[in-house]
Amino acid sequence: GNSVTQMEGPVTLSEEAFLTINCTYTATGYPSLFWYVQYPGEGLQLLLKATKADDKGSNKGFEATYRKETTSFHLEKGSVQVSDSAVYFCALRLTNQGGKLIFGQGTELSVKP
Amino acid sequence: DADVTQTPRNRITKTGKRIMLECSQTKGHDRMYWYRQDPGLGLRLIYYSFDVKDINKGEISDGYSVSRQAQAKFSLSLESAIPNQTALYFCATSDFRDTEAFFGQGTRLTVV
Repeated sequence: GNSVTQMEGPVTLSEEAFLTINCTYTATGYPSLFWYVQYPGEGLQLLLKATKADDKGSNKGFEATYRKETTSFHLEKGSVQVSDSAVYFCALRLTNQGGKLIFGQGTELSVKP
Repeated sequence: DADVTQTPRNRITKTGKRIMLECSQTKGHDRMYWYRQDPGLGLRLIYYSFDVKDINKGEISDGYSVSRQAQAKFSLSLESAIPNQTALYFCATSDFRDTEAFFGQGTRLTVV
């Protein structure tokens, strides 16, 4: 079936450290891939997306590249800030399935000053 | 004002009670969704609606029902709440291009 797997959290980093959150997927066809972020007490917000293989999504210093050969969409940031502390969700959307999203389990990130 | 508004934000209810969670949106989108979030499981789709006359079951619809009262309103009901329905519930919307989903702030439901 279609699914998304993320690395388990929580991830704790010091400010200015490099961040990687791994995400791999299983899907029929060619999905679009997303990273959503959930700040404490809030709903999910789109962080970045990629709609086809080799596309790179980027926003707010975060990047992720759609790798079809490894079925991966890892999230990276070169220098995290305390304000990046949140839960990050990787998700996929199948073609011709409307806006339905299939989410990974979420990875909690805590950045310490 | 938020684009997607959920009410209530928090609710504690007893086993066996009927409860309704409401969602309204000002995005003008046709497509609306209800998800539930559980620790370690991410978000899972309960029901979705592509327009007022179109309602579809999602991955985990058992024990839930929905009503699409208008383009802007989509309600989720638990007919007879049970403790394992304790979760954080999110409403979301998207337009026909599905370029992005917009989420409400969530309703934290506790069934005791």
